Amino acid sequence: QVQLLQSGVEVKRPGTSVKVSCKASGYTFRDYEISWVRQAPGQGLEWLGWISGFSGNTNYAQRVQGRFFVTTDISTTTAYMELRGLTSDDTAVYYCARTRDGVHNFWGQGTLVIVSS
Amino acid sequence: DIQMTQSPSTLSASIGDRVTITCRASQNIGSWLAWYQQKPGKAPKFLIYKASSLDNGVPSRFSGSGSGTEFTLTISSLQPDDFATYYCQHYDSYPYTFGQGTTLEIK
Repeated sequence: QVQLLQSGVEVKRPGTSVKVSCKASGYTFRDYEISWVRQAPGQGLEWLGWISGFSGNTNYAQRVQGRFFVTTDISTTTAYMELRGLTSDDTAVYYCARTRDGVHNFWGQGTLVIVSS
Repeated sequence: DIQMTQSPSTLSASIGDRVTITCRASQNIGSWLAWYQQKPGKAPKFLIYKASSLDNGVPSRFSGSGSGTEFTLTISSLQPDDFATYYCQHYDSYPYTFGQGTTLEIK
């Protein structure tokens, strides 16, 4: 069965960086993109960007462009997101999602990132 | 960026009720719209793509309709498992954006 297993809770200081992993299994990794979506406490969903599992092409939301980076390791079918220059506004649950043609058809369990001094 | 606006923000209903949630796009997105369900503390679950096509395993009491700028999600007969927050999301162009969510509460 399809699984997206994300890494655990992160607590970071403002100005630092965080890297979250998303291990995919149960499907052909190259056939889908991996998207990243975040949800601040009590708020809605915000799309951050995606990476193709086949080509490695990426697309990022302008709001996080320059601070947000996604990569994949095809050998381990793992996707990574890195967010730099953290502020308290980046405190959120970060989800990876298997994506095809813009539709997020399966989601990871989420990773809570807390930014606090 | 395309803005997605859902209404209402909160909806109170009873088991067996028929409910409809509306999602409006700030510009024409054709049928490039998806719906997701989220329960507290859980990841979203994919329900509907291309405005009206149900994902595998989604109960037939769920239906979606619309095109262009106005879309609806309808639940024909509410079940206890349906009380959750629902989000629409367009995928017409980047950045993909979500509506602010509609929370379906038990009356």
